[in-house]
Amino acid sequence: DARVTQTPRHKVTEMGQEVTMRCQPILGHNTVFWYRQTMMQGLELLAYFRNRAPLDDSGMPKDRFSAEMPDATLATLKIQPSEPRDSAVYFCASGFFPEGETNEKLFFGSGTQLSVL
Amino acid sequence: QQPVQSPQAVILREGEDAVINCSSSKALYSVHWYRQKHGEAPVFLMILLKGGEQKGHDKISASFNEKKQQSSLYLTASQLSYSGTYFCGTGPNAGSSNTGKLIFGQGTTLQVKP
Repeated sequence: DARVTQTPRHKVTEMGQEVTMRCQPILGHNTVFWYRQTMMQGLELLAYFRNRAPLDDSGMPKDRFSAEMPDATLATLKIQPSEPRDSAVYFCASGFFPEGETNEKLFFGSGTQLSVL
Repeated sequence: QQPVQSPQAVILREGEDAVINCSSSKALYSVHWYRQKHGEAPVFLMILLKGGEQKGHDKISASFNEKKQQSSLYLTASQLSYSGTYFCGTGPNAGSSNTGKLIFGQGTTLQVKP
């Protein structure tokens, strides 16, 4: 049963520390998304990639957040330095978008629960 | 542009019906519906692309109005398993370079009680 795998599931860290979250998209999916979920803001789109190339990262605080896809099986989201306001659940989602298609089903991972103290 | 969902929360008894609305001040190209159970990841329900379209499976269905500015999700004869938060998302226009960009509303929390 194919699924999106995220690690770690939970992360507690202190303010100022670097945090790296990892995501393994479903094999064959060509588009990967990072969302952040908080009670106040709901599901916010941070960044997304197609065929490993970044398409849009305008939702991401540029000074401290970075997202990359070193290869087709790994997406990373890094926060450096972390702040208490970064505490949230971070979801990775993937989907297969045929050429020219813009609306397809997304599969979400289980999320990383981040707490920054 | 983030779509607006209403109501924010609904409490039902098993067997009752509910309607969740998703609207925008501008015409939408598409509407995507997801459900998230507590502590879990969002799960895809359906996508609507055409004005006037209706879709559904089992007792959960959705419509997209002709002007494509509102979508409604209908849950009929609700079951305990329907409890969760429902999100609508708006997708990009065809041919847009924003392939797959999906902006979600704030969510509607549905609680079904026995």
